[in-house]
Amino acid sequence: AQKITQTQPGMFVQEKEAVTLDCTYDTSDPSYGLFWYKQPSSGEMIFLIYQGSYDQQNATEGRYSLNFQKARKSANLVISASQLGDSAMYFCAMRVMAGGFKTIFGAGTRLFVKA
Amino acid sequence: EPEVTQTPSHQVTQMGQEVILRCVPISNHLYFYWYRQILGQKVEFLVSFYNNEISEKSEIFDDQFSVERPDGSNFTLKIRSTKLEDSAMYFCASTDGTGYTGELFFGEGSRLTVL
Repeated sequence: AQKITQTQPGMFVQEKEAVTLDCTYDTSDPSYGLFWYKQPSSGEMIFLIYQGSYDQQNATEGRYSLNFQKARKSANLVISASQLGDSAMYFCAMRVMAGGFKTIFGAGTRLFVKA
Repeated sequence: EPEVTQTPSHQVTQMGQEVILRCVPISNHLYFYWYRQILGQKVEFLVSFYNNEISEKSEIFDDQFSVERPDGSNFTLKIRSTKLEDSAMYFCASTDGTGYTGELFFGEGSRLTVL
């Protein structure tokens, strides 16, 4: 069975500082993709970043980077230079081949950026 | 930019009534999904659909739920006899055929309120 765990229900960060949102996963499938999505208060799901299980380097997209530690089964999201607009819910997700390439989500972390 | 569209954006219904939520996935996508999010909570997988049949369904997706792709563009979720606990945001999503590496594209959601 696949599982995604996000242990931080809420996080606070000062504007312009970096923040790390934790994510651990579990799967027996050797091929999988890891994703982070942002959900602002308006409710839409916004794709942020992707990491493949065979990727050697950590993914980066602008201010977002994914700290991928395969042996520890962790895929933490790092947001650098936080902005007020980063305040939102963040979901870690994993896609596996099983079940029609379904994607499962963690419980989410709500990030609050303070001015 | 292609997008997943969902209708209605909000539906209010009486308990016991049938509801149909509609989605138009991105045209060249092959895999389709429905997810549910009860207010402020995690995004829960309901069902995956590929090649005109269900690939996998979760334990939430009981006999009250059904999905259909009646033509080449629409993908629908039907709830036969709604219950109070069906009140949630329902997201349709689709992805192309690149397997576990493909980003999941979400619609903006259909908020269902059961009274």
